[in-house]
Formats: sequence, structure tokens, C-alpha cells
Amino acid sequence: NAGVTQTPKFQVLKTGQSMTLQCAQDMNHEYMSWYRQDPGMGLRLIHYSVGAGITDQGEVPNGYNVSRSTTEDFPLRLLSAAPSQTSVYFCASSFQGSGEQYFGPGTRLTVT
Amino acid sequence: DQQVKQNSPSLSVQEGRISILNCDYTNSMFDYFLWYKKYPAEGPTFLISISSIKDKNEDGRFTVFLNKSAKHLSLHIVPSQPGDSAVYFCAATSGGSNYKLTFGKGTLLTVNP
Repeated sequence: NAGVTQTPKFQVLKTGQSMTLQCAQDMNHEYMSWYRQDPGMGLRLIHYSVGAGITDQGEVPNGYNVSRSTTEDFPLRLLSAAPSQTSVYFCASSFQGSGEQYFGPGTRLTVT
Repeated sequence: DQQVKQNSPSLSVQEGRISILNCDYTNSMFDYFLWYKKYPAEGPTFLISISSIKDKNEDGRFTVFLNKSAKHLSLHIVPSQPGDSAVYFCAATSGGSNYKLTFGKGTLLTVNP
């Protein structure tokens, strides 16, 4: 199993550009989530999904969109990038119920 | 308002000694707690967890203690090894919502040879 994969690893955007961060998992997990990590901060939840076709907002959803058309994929879209979205983005997945989330390696995004 | 707090940004210990990382929480609805370890340029990896029905959980060199009345948990690493040097995050969730983890800011542990 590849686990949770994220692409790209690094990305530089100009203010106002849009892009999609890709996330895929091959563990047949029902749940998937996106977090961002900023310096000196813990991870903060952006959006999450409890199954295909079901998404909801987390703590810091503004400026981001998600969709979940398949169990495996959970892309995160930046509609109009802003410097405040410079961060490291982590995707995670888990089975339904208590238990750990498995994290991808992250995407480091810089918005200039 | 931070619901999960790790008040020590860093901790330095000697190899072979005990490392104790602390975490406090304010939300009494939290019923499941996890510790993650993170190396630079990698994603967090799960280390150990504890349910609120327990007060201790052990896995090899790692033990997590939970004091519900004090809303406090701690991670003990014995003996500490240089490879344990990483950032450790405490996380919490409730009601089986393990897709919605609330994280602390992390503690950088350095184990000196």
C-alpha cells in the first residue's frame, strides 16, 4: 500500500492564481481531512469528508474548496491564492470510528 | 481559544533518560487522545493513543497517562534515544470523530547522545 499520497510536494503561486492540491489514499478509508500547519502552530483542520459525496468545513475553511467524488481522492482547491495561504498542507485519512489518522507527506505552498 | 495546549515549545534530554511531554486540554467533550511524532519535511506519524475510559496506555518505550480530572495527559519515553528527536504533537477528538483532530502546537524534543 502507498498509504496517503500528496502532489505536488512543493508549489509557488502568485497572488490570485488558483490551483488544486491532490490527495489520494489506497486504504479504503471512509474519512479524509485536510490540515494546514503554520510556523509555531499545530495543525489546523481546513475541510473534512466522512464519505464520498459528503464534505464539511473545519476550523479554517475560508479560501478553500473540496469535493469527494470517490473514496480514494480528496482534492483541495485554492480559488484565488493569497499570501496568508502560504503554509504546509497535510492530507489525512482514517477508518470510521476511533483510531488514528494517517497523514501524507505534505505539500509546501508559497504564495508571493 | 486553544483547546489543546502544549506549553513547552522544546525539551532537551540525555540519551537513556526519561522524556516527559505534557499536554493540557480544556474541552471536556474530548474522549480520545493521540500523540503524533513529526520529523522535518515529513507528515506526522501516529505514536500512541488513549481513550478516556483508561488512565494509562503503554506501547514499548512509550506510555501515555491521562488525568481526566486535571484535563492533562503526558507522554513518557523511556529510555530516550537520539532517533526520538522530533516534534511531538498532542491531539484530541470526541465522539469517534477521528477525522476532526484538534492539535496542540507541538513540543520539539532533542535527545542528546
